[in-house]
Amino acid sequence: KAGVTQTPRYLIKTRGQQVTLSCSPISGHRSVSWYQQTPGQGLQFLFEYFSETQRNKGNFPGRFSGRQFSNSRSEMNVSTLELGDSALYLCASSLGTGLYEQYFGPGTRLTVT
Amino acid sequence: GQQVMQIPQYQHVQEGEDFTTYCNSSTTLSNIQWYKQRPGGHPVFLIQLVKSGEVKKQKRLTFQFGEAKKNSSLHITATQTTDVGTYFCAGPESTNAGKSTFGDGTTLTVKP
Repeated sequence: KAGVTQTPRYLIKTRGQQVTLSCSPISGHRSVSWYQQTPGQGLQFLFEYFSETQRNKGNFPGRFSGRQFSNSRSEMNVSTLELGDSALYLCASSLGTGLYEQYFGPGTRLTVT
Repeated sequence: GQQVMQIPQYQHVQEGEDFTTYCNSSTTLSNIQWYKQRPGGHPVFLIQLVKSGEVKKQKRLTFQFGEAKKNSSLHITATQTTDVGTYFCAGPESTNAGKSTFGDGTTLTVKP
């Protein structure tokens, strides 16, 4: 079974621009969660989608948004990029919410200059 | 909101020594999961504990879930260089199963 894939793997953007990251979960998984990982802040939960519905949201500003498609693929968008948005963005898929283990993708390394 | 804390933040050991990381949640957890992230890699699921007081073993790794389901520990016996990485605990609140909070992780380095 193919693992979680994320595209692109690396991205360099300028302050003020917007970016869209993509995540394809493991086949059959309907839940996709997004995390931001920085050296100083660890893994911070962004949001979780299940069957195209956002189920949970972390404490991030409205510039961070996401969506999930009917095939469970998910995208997250960050508008008006700030230097502090530089991070590794990880997507994780699971069969369901909460009681299931999460399988992480390799992440997208975003650098904002 | 829920907070999950791990100690220690860093641990340096000589190969062959034991290692333990502790995870404490501010709220009761429905389950606890442990992940390992190798340097430059992504978190990989290790194990999930669900029952109060549960203990599970994976070769040299022993995982425990506290009686009150608010704390957990991971113990590695006789560390090897392959154990290097950051170990995270994560747990959804018992009242909100869909939102897992990760601890900040314990980074283990092993000196051969």
